[in-house]
Amino acid sequence: SYELTQSPSVSVSPGQTANITCSGDKLGHKYASWYQQKPGQSPVLVIYQDSKRPSGIPERFSGSNSGNTATLTISGTQALDEADYYCQAWDSSVVFGGGTKLTVL
Amino acid sequence: QLQLQESGPGLVKPSETLSLTCTVSGGSISSSSYYWGWIRQPPGKGLEWIGSIYYSGSTYYNPSLMSRVTISVDTPKNQFSLKLRSVTAADTAVYYCARPEGTGTISFDIWGQGTMVTVSS
Repeated sequence: SYELTQSPSVSVSPGQTANITCSGDKLGHKYASWYQQKPGQSPVLVIYQDSKRPSGIPERFSGSNSGNTATLTISGTQALDEADYYCQAWDSSVVFGGGTKLTVL
Repeated sequence: QLQLQESGPGLVKPSETLSLTCTVSGGSISSSSYYWGWIRQPPGKGLEWIGSIYYSGSTYYNPSLMSRVTISVDTPKNQFSLKLRSVTAADTAVYYCARPEGTGTISFDIWGQGTMVTVSS
């Protein structure tokens, strides 16, 4: 079965750029999506089709996908961006990555 | 504004069937070509897709759960439902229903609040 691998944790200082990666075999040939989830809340879609932002998602969130790696980039990271982030793709079924905890300190 | 709401028992006994319903409000479940989905999240763990259903009834399931899962749709009631058979403690999770951002896609942009289901005797 297809797997998506994420680093368990990423730390970033406020105002800096956070890069969260997601790796999978030939992931660049598929569309990747990204979700933000804060404690006790439902996930929020922040990026779909590799780089598109849903309405209401700040411009500081961007995405790219090439080769075996999709990347979620948060520019000018704010304290409120601290959350778990999950990547997602389709390979005969919907697959989620294991999640990355973003700490802003 | 489209909203989704999960409902069902919060406690299920081992070996029994977990049954949940997702009620769609603010729009019709059959108005567009969406694949409505169920996703779960065990406590402290990541997201797991369970399956998705089209308003016509066609379904896609997670291969790892396929033998135990049935997702159905009730268009007059504007609901879709999940049944998971022969549950164990490993099925304890928050269960979410969700709708994708576009037709024929699997990026979920509208989620229910989630409902916690505990499997325990």
